Amino acid sequence: QSALTQPASVSGSPGQSITISCTGTSSDVGGDNYVSWYQQHPGKAPKLIIYEVSNRPSGVSNRLSASKSGNMASLTISGLQAEDEADYFCCSYSTRSTPMVFGGGTKLTVL
Amino acid sequence: QVQVVQSGSELKKPGASVKVSCKASGYSFTDYAIDWVRQAPGQGPEWMGWINTKTGNPTYAQGFTGRFVFSLDTSVTTAYLQISSLKAEDTAMYYCARPVARMGIRSHAFDYWGQGTVVTVSS
Repeated sequence: QSALTQPASVSGSPGQSITISCTGTSSDVGGDNYVSWYQQHPGKAPKLIIYEVSNRPSGVSNRLSASKSGNMASLTISGLQAEDEADYFCCSYSTRSTPMVFGGGTKLTVL
Repeated sequence: QVQVVQSGSELKKPGASVKVSCKASGYSFTDYAIDWVRQAPGQGPEWMGWINTKTGNPTYAQGFTGRFVFSLDTSVTTAYLQISSLKAEDTAMYYCARPVARMGIRSHAFDYWGQGTVVTVSS
């Protein structure tokens, strides 16, 4: 059971936009601005795509954006492309016993 | 360029030990911590803890105390994860990762990951 809750799957057609939610508590997502998102293709290591709620690392497409409201963070991918098909994980700093917690992951399917 | 390279897959019997290596290059090794993350098959990642690469002081997450040991050899810019008394439930992919920011600066995100090491525990 992951500390952060994500939908198991989302899907969209090429060119469309999708949003993945990540729900936590005031002890993690809602408590600070250290939410990050990772993209993971099958058999590959996670790749950082968003850090500190909404910052994109150099080289990450500007089709990806993220935000946070209260205890929920969101990742939006616009102009869906086939290469976006992957698993996406959110991660947050937590003031509870484990200082970093992950979501269970969301599988994005590009139809 | 920054590279983080882990050792290869391991197949171990229950009760045995395993040591996973994580060699970092392309940056000042002792400026950044090394964190360890476990990902069981079909599940989300789980943060295991981190090691201070300047002092060698490890910090373990709840659930990763006792059988799990983080260590370093700074002469070869390598971090290690050793797991003893292996159990079937330790079967997972293990990643080492470098935080975005240098030690002393909060970031709580990882921008460089090793390729992962599969540890399979089976009799």
